[in-house]
Amino acid sequence: DIVMTQSPDSLAVSLGERATINCKSSQSVLYSSNNKNYLAWYQQKAGQPPKVLIYWASTRESGVPDRFSGSGSGTDFTLTISSLQAEDVAVYYCQQYYSYRTFGQGTKVEIK
Amino acid sequence: QVNLVESGGGVVQPGGSLRVSCAASGFSFSNYGMHWVRQAPGKGPEWLAYIHYDVSNKYYADFVKGRFTISRDNSKSTVYLQMDSLRAEDTAIYYCVKDHCSKTDCYGKDYWGQGTLVTVSS
Repeated sequence: DIVMTQSPDSLAVSLGERATINCKSSQSVLYSSNNKNYLAWYQQKAGQPPKVLIYWASTRESGVPDRFSGSGSGTDFTLTISSLQAEDVAVYYCQQYYSYRTFGQGTKVEIK
Repeated sequence: QVNLVESGGGVVQPGGSLRVSCAASGFSFSNYGMHWVRQAPGKGPEWLAYIHYDVSNKYYADFVKGRFTISRDNSKSTVYLQMDSLRAEDTAIYYCVKDHCSKTDCYGKDYWGQGTLVTVSS
């Protein structure tokens, strides 16, 4: 099984400042036949299902603000919120879909 | 647009059984694999099972093998999860998820339903 490990577990950032979440997979999620990373980022707010923000490691979902960006390849990935807004308070999960599905443990983002 | 509506959740006693369903619309259901994922209170999501678009293959997380069974009826655009020998730790919201790959291509993005709550308690 592919294990996903996120860091940090929680993060407090001032409004307008940058938030960075890291995700590491126990094996590469880069599929050689299409050169795509099978890695997604989700945002989950209280009482709601997870919402996809980023897929293929760096493709922003339609309607997601451009302050959200994803980067990385192979086993190391990053979600960046360039200028934190109040509505970004949530738990963020990375997920691999290279082999079935596994999720990171989540990172809780709060306002400092 | 893709719509996934789960149903069948509720309260069940430990050791009991429950079947949850997911009605799909807005896409060609018989061309896509489907998953079940759950999320226990205060925990992260946890993948449970996958069924191929043509039912040819089914895969399970080790911790539900032998207790949970995934199935689908392509004529009804519905996927099911039969859960037996339920335990308190199975208490969670159960989500159905449309796989990002069709028979012919992969698009990178899964679609989730809103979920149905299963509570295992005496």
